Amino acid sequence: KAGVTQTPRYLIKTRGQQVTLSCSPISGHRSVSWYQQTPGQGLQFLFEYFSETQRNKGNFPGRFSGRQFSNSRSEMNVSTLELGDSALYLCASAPLGGNTEAFFGQGTRLTVV
Amino acid sequence: SQQGEEDPQALSIQEGENATMNCSYKTSINNLQWYRQNSGRGLVHLILIRSNEREKHSGRLRVTLDTSKKSSSLLITASRAADTASYFCATDALAGNKLTFGGGTRVLVKP
Repeated sequence: KAGVTQTPRYLIKTRGQQVTLSCSPISGHRSVSWYQQTPGQGLQFLFEYFSETQRNKGNFPGRFSGRQFSNSRSEMNVSTLELGDSALYLCASAPLGGNTEAFFGQGTRLTVV
Repeated sequence: SQQGEEDPQALSIQEGENATMNCSYKTSINNLQWYRQNSGRGLVHLILIRSNEREKHSGRLRVTLDTSKKSSSLLITASRAADTASYFCATDALAGNKLTFGGGTRVLVKP
């Protein structure tokens, strides 16, 4: 099976712009979660989607949003980018609603200048 | 906020030695997972241990879980240079797949 695929791998944006990141989960997986990793804050949970519904949400401002499509692919959007949004954004997929291994993609490295 | 802390923050060993790292967490959990990350790339899943399990093995990896102490340990035996990476523990406590990560242990295995 193909693993979790995130696109693009690298992205450079300017402050104030918006960005959309994409995640294709492992075939058959219905849960997709997003995480932000920075040197200062470590790995932090953004949100989780299961069967097109947001099920859990982390403590991030409303500028961060996401969605999941009927084929389980997910996108996350960050509007009005700030320098502090520079981070590695990781997507994880899991087959079920919980209590299972979560598998991560290679991440999207976002740099805001 | 992070659920737990990992100890030590960094570890340097010679090839062939064993590496042990610990993870502590704060709330009751369903499962605890260990991941490896190489140089800011994606996380590689190593092992999952459920809250009703005490020990689990996978190849050169041995994981223990003590729910009374809210702690887990990861042992890598006979380490190799390729084991050089950061290792993270992650817990899930709520319904769903929300993982809370520790701060990680950076392991350097010298040839």
